[in-house]
Amino acid sequence: EAQVTQNPRYLITVTGKKLTVTCSQNMNHEYMSWYRQDPGLGLRQIYYSMNVEVTDKGDVPEGYKVSRKEKRNFPLILESPSPNQTSLYFCASRPTLVRDGMSSYNSPLHFGNGTRLTVT
Amino acid sequence: QQPVQSPQAVILREGEDAVINCSSSKALYSVHWYRQKHGEAPVFLMILLKGGEQKGHEKISASFNEKKQQSSLYLTASQLSYSGTYFCGTEIGDSGYSTLTFGKGTMLLVSP
Repeated sequence: EAQVTQNPRYLITVTGKKLTVTCSQNMNHEYMSWYRQDPGLGLRQIYYSMNVEVTDKGDVPEGYKVSRKEKRNFPLILESPSPNQTSLYFCASRPTLVRDGMSSYNSPLHFGNGTRLTVT
Repeated sequence: QQPVQSPQAVILREGEDAVINCSSSKALYSVHWYRQKHGEAPVFLMILLKGGEQKGHEKISASFNEKKQQSSLYLTASQLSYSGTYFCGTEIGDSGYSTLTFGKGTMLLVSP
């Protein structure tokens, strides 16, 4: 089944304890992204990756790291979590389309099921 | 930069219509629409590309006014299953080779 898999679904941790949220997709998508969702603020992008070894900051990258060593995996790393990083996190991916000989991303995002993180 | 959605929330009775708007201060290449049920991941509804395209999905359709940098989502004869939060996502620029930025969402509640 084509899917984006995030782990864990729920995580409670303490301030300063490093953690990693994993994200894996089996659809051979080039583009992957991390969003956080907070009440009243919508989905805000943390980091994204256009392809292997290519990552870029989104709108709220502070306090997060990512890596894209393989096409299928895009882990989100919190080196020193703080309570303001308590949130619902979504990983998403989508394929590159080729239109008129040019690459584009006008394709739907496929979301993982989310990771609810609580930092105390 | 986040697109602006309006209204923030809508309450409808079953069978009524609703319009959700999405506007951007930057030139758009495309607009995406997603619906999210509480506690679940967002689900794709449709994409509109620049060119004033209008698309439909059962009783849900959308338009995209490239000049005004706006898109509207139309829900007609709403059903209970339409309840959820609707997000528009925008891609700016000319090529579509960019990232997707979401608005803050519009909560829709359809009651019997």
